[in-house]
Amino acid sequence: SQQGEEDPQALSIQEGENATMNCSYKTSINNLQWYRQNSGRGLVHLILIRSNEREKHSGRLRVTLDTSKKSSSLLITASRAADTASYFCATASISYNTDKLIFGTGTRLQVFP
Amino acid sequence: GAVVSQHPSRVICKSGTSVKIECRSLDFQATTMFWYRQFPKQSLMLMATSNEGSKATYEQGVEKDKFLINHASLTLSTLTVTSAHPEDSSFYICSAAQGAKNSPLHFGNGTRLTVT
Repeated sequence: SQQGEEDPQALSIQEGENATMNCSYKTSINNLQWYRQNSGRGLVHLILIRSNEREKHSGRLRVTLDTSKKSSSLLITASRAADTASYFCATASISYNTDKLIFGTGTRLQVFP
Repeated sequence: GAVVSQHPSRVICKSGTSVKIECRSLDFQATTMFWYRQFPKQSLMLMATSNEGSKATYEQGVEKDKFLINHASLTLSTLTVTSAHPEDSSFYICSAAQGAKNSPLHFGNGTRLTVT
């Protein structure tokens, strides 16, 4: 399977703490994207990092990418109860000629008030 | 922002019947849409790539005669689960690509299919 893996599978933290999720993937990529999914809903795009970038910020989100290790991390700082959701990384492989994305296994984040 | 509308959000059907799920891009044209399937507490598994005006491209292991995909216009793709069985019960999600290749995808809110 080309599916990437994320760890941890589940993460529980208190409001105000930081949450770090890691993603490993298998193929060479054009970019890596992070998405959020609230329970029973569709996915919402959070941030995209290109293969030639190493770090990217968006608000309370920080994403890193290490193409030599085929890994990425998502850091959510000063977490809030509203951040409770599942988070998925997704990769756009250079071998695809479409916008096809392959999703990682996901991290279920629970933030307690 | 780009909006993708997916209907129905929930459907319950009897074994042996067919169910159609619609995915519409409301404010942009999508030459390519994607259909995913998601089991509880698991990731999204890509089923097929839907191409406007041509046949869908199915991922390995996905039965094309079981999951019929039609992309009749630049704003509409449909997934029909034919002769549904309880094992087809799942959460089905569509997404659409807007703009340049490898741009972020826009997702529908999913369809919860229950086959009794």
